Amino acid sequence: RKEVEQDPGPFNVPEGATVAFNCTYSNSASQSFFWYRQDCRKEPKLLMSVYSSGNEDGRFTAQLNRASQYISLLIRDSKLSDSATYLCVVNHGSNQGGKLIFGQGTELSVKP
Amino acid sequence: DVKVTQSSRYLVKRTGEKVFLECVQDMDHENMFWYRQDPGLGLRLIYFSYDVKMKEKGDIPEGYSVSREKKERFSLILESASTNQTSMYLCASSSTHGTSGDTQYFGPGTRLTVL
Repeated sequence: RKEVEQDPGPFNVPEGATVAFNCTYSNSASQSFFWYRQDCRKEPKLLMSVYSSGNEDGRFTAQLNRASQYISLLIRDSKLSDSATYLCVVNHGSNQGGKLIFGQGTELSVKP
Repeated sequence: DVKVTQSSRYLVKRTGEKVFLECVQDMDHENMFWYRQDPGLGLRLIYFSYDVKMKEKGDIPEGYSVSREKKERFSLILESASTNQTSMYLCASSSTHGTSGDTQYFGPGTRLTVL
């Protein structure tokens, strides 16, 4: 079983749609959770951290369920510029120099 | 702004050549990482370092070595390049302290082709 698993995608949605990405992780000791965004042929960039109480940044909402070891990302009112691959990321859960585990990513394509 | 730079965006080498990929960060980060990214396989950790002269194997260290002589610089070395090392190589750094937690900041990547 992979340490971080995501919906494989791709997700093809029209502009204005709401889209949700799901992710599960296997290490119950993980303490830090993130969503990264990666544009085609570019490096991954931090989109947002995910906090236990859930958090929102504009059109983006992230939620964490520690009991189910589940993370989600909701994007409302999708824009063309949201087209990218979204990576679910968790820390290794031990003192290993900040090692992170990356999911394989879910590709999103927003169409006009 | 955190800045992570990599020595080359594109590199073409021949089988058997020794290849050096350089990464420099300007934020005094303790931790540095080398990944490779291939279609369908995602990001895979090659090596990481949490201090000067310290190194730890990641998930796929075979065929690679690293060097960290200065805090800001982390080098990836392919001792004898092979065609299966053709890939996108990404360097990242993070801080052990401060408010950013484990957030990793990536360089722009080096697309290496081994012929």
